[in-house]
Amino acid sequence: GAGVSQSPRYKVAKRGQDVALRCDPISGHVSLFWYQQALGQGPEFLTYFQNEAQLDKSGLPSDRFFAERPEGSVSTLKIQRTQQEDSAVYLCASSFGTSGDSPLHFGNGTRLTVT
Amino acid sequence: AQTVTQSQPEMSVQEAETVTLSCTYDTSESDYYLFWYKQPPSRQMILVIRQEAYKQQNATENRFSVNFQKAAKSFSLKISDSQLGDAAMYFCAYRSAYFGNEKLTFGTGTRLTIIP
Repeated sequence: GAGVSQSPRYKVAKRGQDVALRCDPISGHVSLFWYQQALGQGPEFLTYFQNEAQLDKSGLPSDRFFAERPEGSVSTLKIQRTQQEDSAVYLCASSFGTSGDSPLHFGNGTRLTVT
Repeated sequence: AQTVTQSQPEMSVQEAETVTLSCTYDTSESDYYLFWYKQPPSRQMILVIRQEAYKQQNATENRFSVNFQKAAKSFSLKISDSQLGDAAMYFCAYRSAYFGNEKLTFGTGTRLTIIP
């Protein structure tokens, strides 16, 4: 595909369930970011990968959040034992380069609702 | 740590008129990038315009231009000849130019309404 693809587009989980959110970046893109966007807020950084290496996970809010990119392409964000405060849109973005001037391409996000 | 502040939660403008969205930021770095992103209801972040901090000249993209005041740490977006399709959330964002700090830091956004 031409853009960053995220699935599912919507996810409803009962409190305490585990969820897995998928991101397919643009082919060849080295950098991959995950962001969390609460309702009415700006996106907040969660974690950053350069190829398969997770270089920054300082934004992950708790040890219930885990991200991986084992082959340097597709990435999965996993949330264990979901809580109501995890309800948000989760955005994935990728870029070809690693420097600040390399444009980020965003997906349409996954809206997670925890009931 | 860097912070980005957007003090206007909502703005509205008549179609074909001009509107300016405000953004201020705080950083101790000297080299960085600033961005304005548009987020329509589809949720996808779309890059509107980008400014390199080392460039004095304000960036321009068709109807969109910025007023970058580095000393004041201000980065406002001007939209000329507003169109109905400009209605969206607009986010100001900061990105360091230094290795090891690649993340984008966003403001809280401004919802722009276009009045026909």
